[in-house]
Amino acid sequence: IAGITQAPTSQILAAGRRMTLRCTQDMRHNAMYWYRQDLGLGLRLIHYSNTAGTTGKGEVPDGYSVSRANTDDFPLTLASAVPSQTSVYFCASSETAGSSDTQYFGPGTRLTVL
Amino acid sequence: GQNIDQPTEMTATEGAIVQINCTYQTSGFNGLFWYQQHAGEAPTFLSYNVLDGLEEKGRFSSFLSRSKGYSYLLLKELQMKDSASYLCAVNSNDYKLSFGAGTTVTVRA
Repeated sequence: IAGITQAPTSQILAAGRRMTLRCTQDMRHNAMYWYRQDLGLGLRLIHYSNTAGTTGKGEVPDGYSVSRANTDDFPLTLASAVPSQTSVYFCASSETAGSSDTQYFGPGTRLTVL
Repeated sequence: GQNIDQPTEMTATEGAIVQINCTYQTSGFNGLFWYQQHAGEAPTFLSYNVLDGLEEKGRFSSFLSRSKGYSYLLLKELQMKDSASYLCAVNSNDYKLSFGAGTTVTVRA
């Protein structure tokens, strides 16, 4: 059982290009999340999905979009990448969106936008 | 917005005890999590507190005071493998986690 997988592991991208970060979980968790982690700022929530078919905006959603067509997959798309989107991106999931549910994190994608 | 503060860095000696403090000012409170993150890796769950008091889990303990907006993570009998970042996260009114910037702990021999 893999838990949460993310692809790619790392990517260098030219500004203006479109990019989709993939996230798949095999724990049948209802809730999924995308965070970015920047030095000195901690993890910040980009978008979330409480259950398949629904999504919501987090703290820093601008420039990103998500979809949740099924339980397992939660891709994050950068429509037109900018250098300020250089970051490490973590996908996470939890059994439900309840306050006590632990979030489990994927290994991350390191993205550099030039 | 949510405000979660923790020290940036701490250094301690192998075998010693270190206490990492976290203070928070958030719109509501539904629980506080501590995560450990080794360099280049994903955060992993350490503890969860929702009621006041101390939760002990082996060498790690976490304390919460809701009235003071304060928590600490206590690491006992430090080992070299405990060198990592420790993240404090609060679940607030919108049932989303807000993270502090993390405390990097360096354990020296």
